[in-house]
Amino acid sequence: AQSVTQPDIHITVSEGASLELRCNYSYGATPYLFWYVQSPGQGLQLLLKYFSGDTLVQGIKGFEAEFKRSQSSFNLRKPSVHWSDAAEYFCAVGGHMEYGNKLVFGAGTILRVKS
Amino acid sequence: ETGVTQTPRHLVMGMTNKKSLKCEQHLGHNAMYWYKQSAKKPLELMFVYNFKEQTENNSVPSRFSPECPNSSHLFLHLHTLQPEDSALYLCASSQDQVYGYTFGSGTRLTVV
Repeated sequence: AQSVTQPDIHITVSEGASLELRCNYSYGATPYLFWYVQSPGQGLQLLLKYFSGDTLVQGIKGFEAEFKRSQSSFNLRKPSVHWSDAAEYFCAVGGHMEYGNKLVFGAGTILRVKS
Repeated sequence: ETGVTQTPRHLVMGMTNKKSLKCEQHLGHNAMYWYKQSAKKPLELMFVYNFKEQTENNSVPSRFSPECPNSSHLFLHLHTLQPEDSALYLCASSQDQVYGYTFGSGTRLTVV
């Protein structure tokens, strides 16, 4: 079965510092991988996705993520964090039709930005 | 505006009330989902609909009753809820997993 682990429940970084949020997945085939962001009281917004090709993907708001098959990871990065990036971030993995048309989400990582 | 609209945004209901949550998408997607998001808990998938047919019910109590009259609309009918049902209820839609899901802004439900 598919599963997603986000090891960090909370992360605090200073404004202007770099950021890396970790995501590990368990899946037997090549997965579809996603990162979403959620501001308080809002729905989830898609930041970026990977399903094939270049393993470094660019997303919105200056985020990028790198797929590393050997490590079963899809970590999210940003070189310089802004106060408006404070939110909760969810990694998700999806598979092929035999696993149903659905994504499996990690538990989320709450990002706090200090000035 | 994300393309998925949920109404109402906020709802307070008593345990004996009956209410409905509505979700609407005009993205041409063929799958729709209900998720429950409680404080300090992971997202819980409740129901999945593909082409108006329910394809998944994750052991959701019968006090939650989904309805999908067409591919653009999804409802969640609520009756005799419990305080622990208070949560953010999120609707999402998708065309294919390759493109991910599009989420609505959610309905914040409080059961008193």
